[in-house]
Amino acid sequence: GAVVSQHPSRVICKSGTSVKIECRSLDFQATTMFWYRQFPKQSLMLMATSNEGSKATYEQGVEKDKFLINHASLTLSTLTVTSAHPEDSSFYICSALDRGWNTEAFFGQGTRLTVV
Amino acid sequence: AQTVTQSQPEMSVQEAETVTLSCTYDTSESNYYLFWYKQPPSRQMILVIRQEAYKQQNATENRFSVNFQKAAKSFSLKISDSQLGDTAMYFCAFNNAGNMLTFGGGTRLMVKP
Repeated sequence: GAVVSQHPSRVICKSGTSVKIECRSLDFQATTMFWYRQFPKQSLMLMATSNEGSKATYEQGVEKDKFLINHASLTLSTLTVTSAHPEDSSFYICSALDRGWNTEAFFGQGTRLTVV
Repeated sequence: AQTVTQSQPEMSVQEAETVTLSCTYDTSESNYYLFWYKQPPSRQMILVIRQEAYKQQNATENRFSVNFQKAAKSFSLKISDSQLGDTAMYFCAFNNAGNMLTFGGGTRLMVKP
């Protein structure tokens, strides 16, 4: 199956700093990528949808200035958590739709962010 | 907007036995896709099985099968011959042809030896 690589898998940062998370589709072109946040023992909550070459669409309640999403190419989307605070600590997961078969999403391994 | 409901927060099953996880959804769409994802402790999302709404035949993948009842908007997952490696969170998800996935709240399955 298609592979989505998410990096880093774990990151610890200091409060007030910014952290960038990368999501790459390794063997297919992804016109659309999604970013989710998952709290412990809960489901995935969609944060935003990013389309290659255009601005991301954010879900209600998600601060677009805090969670910057860039989808500059068909294989890479990035999520930058700006001015991170302890409450931003969470598990972040990306997924990508295969351009040729856009009914199945492939998931990255996730990133555990801890803000201290 | 679509909603997906998993009414069983936790379930347990003895190894080698069969367990069924429930999922209901609400949509006004006629063409859509349904999925079951497994999330083991590693937290990697793994596709277990998928069902196209236009297909009447229930999907099967080895020990995993679904009971898709379109009129009732029900999509349950049956796991036969449960194995210890099946212990995980299971999420039911809905996709209306290329758009975002809508997930249910999840069911935590524990397979006991």
